[in-house]
Amino acid sequence: EVQLLESGGGLIQPGGSLRLSCAASGFTFSIHAMSWVRQAPGKGLEWVSGISASGGDTYYADSVRGRFISSRDNSQNTLYLQMSSLTVEDTAIYYCAKKYRGIIPAAGPFDFRGQGTLVTVSS
Amino acid sequence: QSVLTQPTSVSGAPGQSVTIFCTGSSSNLGTYDAHWYQQLPGTIPQLLIHTDDKRPSGVPDRFSGSKSGISAALVITGLQAEDEADYYCQSYDSSLRATVFGGGTKLTVL
Repeated sequence: EVQLLESGGGLIQPGGSLRLSCAASGFTFSIHAMSWVRQAPGKGLEWVSGISASGGDTYYADSVRGRFISSRDNSQNTLYLQMSSLTVEDTAIYYCAKKYRGIIPAAGPFDFRGQGTLVTVSS
Repeated sequence: QSVLTQPTSVSGAPGQSVTIFCTGSSSNLGTYDAHWYQQLPGTIPQLLIHTDDKRPSGVPDRFSGSKSGISAALVITGLQAEDEADYYCQSYDSSLRATVFGGGTKLTVL
């Protein structure tokens, strides 16, 4: 069974940094592109970042480009999101998502399995 | 303002059908596939329809999708109380080089 377990969220002050992790199991992690999708409280879904299966290519939404970095460790079946220069607008539940099918690494469709991790940016 | 436009809300009585439209542009739905997600209250999003009209295993055939030009549609027939949820369309946008979501549609079963 596919499992994705996000962690690393918490309360952080504006301007701070945080690293999220997503531990994957139940599938061959190294052959699947992955993405991060966030959802602000009471709001809709927003794609944040994508990464190719090898980790060699990364993609970002304009709202986070230059501040967030996606990476992965295929030997550890783990996806990461390094977030810096955080603002209150980054407050959200962050989900990691497995690419369900298709060629474009940054595109969906996505398979969501984890409960997400909540990042709260507040002073 | 989302790149993909969905109605904020729709409603229908049990047993009826509802259609949720998602409108984009030539750089997203006009070129790339539409996907739909269902998010039940307090839960994570679930893939409902992919590649315009394909249902993942386990999704009832009451749910169907279609796409024409720059618009996609999700049709739910035989509405049930358990269908009350938020529904999101999603595609890829070549101008933004990013995945884009619609703003979401809240379905109320009357």
